[in-house]
Amino acid sequence: SQQGEEDPQALSIQEGENATMNCSYKTSINNLQWYRQNSGRGLVHLILIRSNEREKHSGRLRVTLDTSKKSSSLLITASRAADTASYFCATDAQAGTALIFGKGTTLSVSS
Amino acid sequence: DAGVIQSPRHEVTEMGQEVTLRCKPISGHNSLFWYRQTMMRGLELLIYFNNNVPIDDSGMPEDRFSAKMPNASFSTLKIQPSEPRDSAVYFCASSLVASGDNTDTQYFGPGTRLTVL
Repeated sequence: SQQGEEDPQALSIQEGENATMNCSYKTSINNLQWYRQNSGRGLVHLILIRSNEREKHSGRLRVTLDTSKKSSSLLITASRAADTASYFCATDAQAGTALIFGKGTTLSVSS
Repeated sequence: DAGVIQSPRHEVTEMGQEVTLRCKPISGHNSLFWYRQTMMRGLELLIYFNNNVPIDDSGMPEDRFSAKMPNASFSTLKIQPSEPRDSAVYFCASSLVASGDNTDTQYFGPGTRLTVL
């Protein structure tokens, strides 16, 4: 069964706007990661946040983690058409173990 | 740097045939994962190896599926006999778990799109 559930399932915005995606999970985690998947392609790692971290930044990406609510959010600022993709959160219980993925948010950025 | 390499990229076969998917992890990585992606079930783990040893194969659907990792630079996923419901994209991923570090980033290959007619 899926550990993470992303919300919304689909998001359409204009270039320059910010996109926020949320992820909820069910059990205790070690790390939470976000991946991007362009249509018909593999998954690209975006960012990893440890369970003892609350916020992390990487370029235009901002990730927050609230372990008390078992939730995370991914914010993409100043979106571009090239950000159009599916975004997945994934959790693990320990390094070197399997990732459990949510069903993803499909982001469409129009110019 | 070469990433995770998977072959073939596309495979079309008929029901009942044997299918072998191949994966070359990133050099130096010590964990290897096989995932399957379908529209209905999303991304699911099939099996993973640490230091070439299978650790968790609970995601392998049934005995028709088998996976091997004979050395640190190669793994195969075999389906025999294949069925139409096996049609999916199969991803291989690898990571490096360093001693004393409880984080690892999994790097994914481009996937093999399998169609079983």
